[in-house]
Amino acid sequence: GENVEQHPSTLSVQEGDSAVIKCTYSDSASNYFPWYKQELGKRPQLIIDIRSNVGEKKDQRIAVTLNKTAKHFSLHITETQPEDSAVYFCAASITETSYDKVIFGPGTSLSVIP
Amino acid sequence: KAGVTQTPRYLIKTRGQQVTLSCSPISGHRSVSWYQQTPGQGLQFLFEYFSETQRNKGNFPGRFSGRQFSNSRSEMNVSTLELGDSALYLCASRRTGRTGELFFGEGSRLTVL
Repeated sequence: GENVEQHPSTLSVQEGDSAVIKCTYSDSASNYFPWYKQELGKRPQLIIDIRSNVGEKKDQRIAVTLNKTAKHFSLHITETQPEDSAVYFCAASITETSYDKVIFGPGTSLSVIP
Repeated sequence: KAGVTQTPRYLIKTRGQQVTLSCSPISGHRSVSWYQQTPGQGLQFLFEYFSETQRNKGNFPGRFSGRQFSNSRSEMNVSTLELGDSALYLCASRRTGRTGELFFGEGSRLTVL
């Protein structure tokens, strides 16, 4: 079945620096790649997503890139702020039946140091 | 619009017991997925229901089961609880069973003693 790996597991950056989280997926049939942010004690929430027919997508300080050949996608956060501190999950969505299965990576705990 | 509601929020059980967790999706959402969250393991997919039928299943033993009712509310059941079942169980709803944003509930935190 689909497997999603995510690195690093923890990441600490100075406020204002950039943060990059990388994920790889195993099933080439995956076609949708969302990223979720989970603040401490809160529920995961979608922050950005990308579909397999797009190579890059940006939303203010957040960008996601996708390399389908390498089965690799990344989240880039620029000008990090303390409120960016959270656990970030990448995911890959695969259609095994007529319904997509969303498989998450193990998460990256990002700490932004003021 | 009300969000995804999970009950109970916290519960403590002992080994061998069983537990039932409930999830009410956002109105109009017909898909409900269940995930197990443990430190270091992230969000492990349990199963997804759409129109009262299980559409996808993860790699969990048969002790984990679920169902969905005609109003899209879903329940998951874990029988013969083990210590390793201690986790936060999250449900998520979306409008269809195809690609789209998952809206998560706050979770049910299960502790097995």
